[in-house]
Amino acid sequence: NAGVTQTPKFQVLKTGQSMTLQCAQDMNHEYMSWYRQDPGMGLRLIHYSVGAGITDQGEVPNGYNVSRSTTEDFPLRLLSAAPSQTSVYFCASAPSGARGYNEQFFGPGTRLTVL
Amino acid sequence: AQSVTQLDSQVPVFEEAPVELRCNYSSSVSVYLFWYVQYPNQGLQLLLKYLSGSTLVKGINGFEAEFNKSQTSFHLRKPSVHISDTAEYFCAVSDLGSNYQLIWGAGTKLIIKP
Repeated sequence: NAGVTQTPKFQVLKTGQSMTLQCAQDMNHEYMSWYRQDPGMGLRLIHYSVGAGITDQGEVPNGYNVSRSTTEDFPLRLLSAAPSQTSVYFCASAPSGARGYNEQFFGPGTRLTVL
Repeated sequence: AQSVTQLDSQVPVFEEAPVELRCNYSSSVSVYLFWYVQYPNQGLQLLLKYLSGSTLVKGINGFEAEFNKSQTSFHLRKPSVHISDTAEYFCAVSDLGSNYQLIWGAGTKLIIKP
């Protein structure tokens, strides 16, 4: 099993550009989420999904869109990149039920710089 | 709302010395508690978790943590650290009031001095 995969590993954007960060998991997990990691702030939840066709907002959703058309994939779209979105982005998945006692499995991250 | 405080942003410690990384959370309602580790340039992985039962939880790589409900703490300990323990450690809390979403601490960087 590959676990949780993310592409690209690194990305540089100009202000106003759009792009999609890809996330896929092969563990048949129902729950998937996107976090951003900024120095001294831990991880902040952007969006999450408890199953195909179901998404919801997390703590910091502004400027980001998600969709979940399949169990495996959960892409994160930046609509119009801003320097404040410079961060490291992590995708995570967890087994069914999205219950808080489940371990979350993380991808390797995407380092995004917005100029 | 639930919050998580990791009191130290960095903890330097000599190799083979013991270490304690501190974590406090705000709400005393039923919670699940986690410690995750992030090695340099990698994603996070679970070290250990407390769901219920014994307040002393053992995890991977010789780490353990103790749940203290009265002090709302979940401190992480290791009796003897190795250079390979160099990483950032995150405490996280999940409670019923937040629909099980994890609330994360800011992280503590463990720096091992040779």
